[in-house]
Amino acid sequence: AQSVTQPDIHITVSEGASLELRCNYSYGATPYLFWYVQSPGQGLQLLLKYFSGDTLVQGIKGFEAEFKRSQSSFNLRKPSVHWSDAAEYFCAVAFASGNTPLVFGKGTRLSVIA
Amino acid sequence: DTGVSQNPRHKITKRGQNVTFRCDPISEHNRLYWYRQTLGQGPEFLTYFQNEAQLEKSRLLSDRFSAERPKGSFSTLEIQRTEQGDSAMYLCASSFRDRGPKAKNIQYFGAGTRLSVL
Repeated sequence: AQSVTQPDIHITVSEGASLELRCNYSYGATPYLFWYVQSPGQGLQLLLKYFSGDTLVQGIKGFEAEFKRSQSSFNLRKPSVHWSDAAEYFCAVAFASGNTPLVFGKGTRLSVIA
Repeated sequence: DTGVSQNPRHKITKRGQNVTFRCDPISEHNRLYWYRQTLGQGPEFLTYFQNEAQLEKSRLLSDRFSAERPKGSFSTLEIQRTEQGDSAMYLCASSFRDRGPKAKNIQYFGAGTRLSVL
């Protein structure tokens, strides 16, 4: 079955430190890949997406992600975390197009300490 | 572009009551999706529409759940005879499906309706 795994339930980083959130998917072909962020009590905001082409994609708020086909991964990175980045991060995939239902991972909660 | 709007933001109800949620998508978007998110989990797909046609329903959508999009604009999600297990955040998203230059293949989410069943 198609699935998305985010291995880290909770990550704590110091402000100014680098960040990497992991995402792996299970699917026979290349899916459409997304990272969303959710602040408490809020909906989801798209950070970035990968459909095809350059495997390193840039998003909003200084985030980037790299698609690695050999590892079925789409990890999210940020070189320097700000306190305002504290939130829940979800990796999602769509297996036909971006206009088909998304399959989400369980999320990674990011805490930022001073 | 006013974004996806969901009402109400919060709903508290007693077990056995019926509830209805509304979603207003971004105006030019022809696809509309409903997801459910429980505590500590990612959103799970429930159903989606293209214009007024309901294209797919998840097995999560029991017989007590019904969704409509009568004029291809706003959508409603009704839960009959609510159970405590229905307590969750119900998220709506919309997208524009087109092969032309307007196609973005991106789902935009509303802020959700949080349902608490007592």
